[in-house]
Amino acid sequence: DQQVKQNSPSLSVQEGRISILNCDYTNSMFDYFLWYKKYPAEGPTFLISISSIKDKNEDGRFTVFLNKSAKHLSLHIVPSQPGDSAVYFCAASVWSSNTGKLIFGQGTTLQVKP
Amino acid sequence: NAGVTQTPKFQVLKTGQSMTLQCAQDMNHNSMYWYRQDPGMGLRLIYYSASEGTTDKGEVPNGYNVSRLNKREFSLRLESAAPSQTSVYFCASSASLAGATDTQYFGPGTRLTVL
Repeated sequence: DQQVKQNSPSLSVQEGRISILNCDYTNSMFDYFLWYKKYPAEGPTFLISISSIKDKNEDGRFTVFLNKSAKHLSLHIVPSQPGDSAVYFCAASVWSSNTGKLIFGQGTTLQVKP
Repeated sequence: NAGVTQTPKFQVLKTGQSMTLQCAQDMNHNSMYWYRQDPGMGLRLIYYSASEGTTDKGEVPNGYNVSRLNKREFSLRLESAAPSQTSVYFCASSASLAGATDTQYFGPGTRLTVL
């Protein structure tokens, strides 16, 4: 049973436009969410995170929005750049579980066209 | 700093062979993790070590064993490899103490093929 789902396997966007990547979760116990970015032949790298006490977190061109009632989060990249082309994974955890375990979604491949 | 290093980068095994994937981090992190990445499945946790001397199962532990050799090193062993274990394996570490959620830093991965 996939607790974290990224239903769009791929997304193509023109340079300079907004990229919106979506993620849904089913476990209402999740209270901390992260986005990772992965280039081919490299390991994932941390991008941005959000706690369930917030509904928005911004870091430069990257903003993550959390809608707890819908169990949905999204990553906005504005403006998109060709270097943003990568696979993006969302991940979720239960902070109070004291395990540090992350549950990842399947990933969305973003292509930003020049 | 090298961060998280993994060896080997590539490996081909025959069914039934054994091997150990090595992982080391130089960030003085407390927690370490092993994941596998398969197409359409994302990253799935195999085993983790919340602190030196402890290990616990993740989502997909069957067919694997781990050893937290010291604070720096966390190895993953396949005792009898099966084609279903063909995957890309990632090691990660985080500074968190005893399991608190924290940013995880990943190694470059090991691509394993089992024939």
